[in-house]
Amino acid sequence: NAGVTQTPKFRILKIGQSMTLQCTQDMNHNYMYWYRQDPGMGLKLIYYSVGAGITDKGEVPNGYNVSRSTTEDFPLRLELAAPSQTSVYFCASSYSIQGGNTIYFGEGSWLTVV
Amino acid sequence: EDKVVQSPLSLVVHEGDTVTLNCSYEVTNFRSLLWYKQEKKAPTFLFMLTSSGIEKKSGRLSSILDKKELFSILNITATQTGDSAIYLCAVASGSARQLTFGSGTQLTVLP
Repeated sequence: NAGVTQTPKFRILKIGQSMTLQCTQDMNHNYMYWYRQDPGMGLKLIYYSVGAGITDKGEVPNGYNVSRSTTEDFPLRLELAAPSQTSVYFCASSYSIQGGNTIYFGEGSWLTVV
Repeated sequence: EDKVVQSPLSLVVHEGDTVTLNCSYEVTNFRSLLWYKQEKKAPTFLFMLTSSGIEKKSGRLSSILDKKELFSILNITATQTGDSAIYLCAVASGSARQLTFGSGTQLTVLP
């Protein structure tokens, strides 16, 4: 089972460049999430989606955009990259948070902005 | 704003020791509390707790929730070097559309 797949695994960006982190899941999950994790910190929610066509801001959405055109895909767009966006990004998905369901994480994308 | 606080931030022990990791929370309309283990990659699920006083156990790991005092503990007995990781606590609240994570506890187990 592929689970949650995110690409690229590593990327170096120059300040002001843009890029898209891709995320796809094959578990038919309704909920998808993008988190970032700074060194020594927990995960902070950037954006999430409860289904195709529906997205919502999390705790730290500034400088990012998302779209959810299909159930499977939830790309994260960085516009005008800044050094503060240097972080590890995790995509995740779940059927729901309730009822004993947990969330499944991708392997992470290490992004450095220089 | 939902808040999840973990302590200690880091812990160094020797193999065979027992450790207790703490997680306290302040959230609106609590639904569940989850523990994850993270070893340099994606977090992996350990436990989900929804009811007070019921211990969840998996091998040397166990966890319990106190909904009155708003905290949970994760116990690891007879620690091994393979237990070295960041342990993350997360809470699902409100409409349970998202999780709020704590900053994690970095556990290092020395041989």
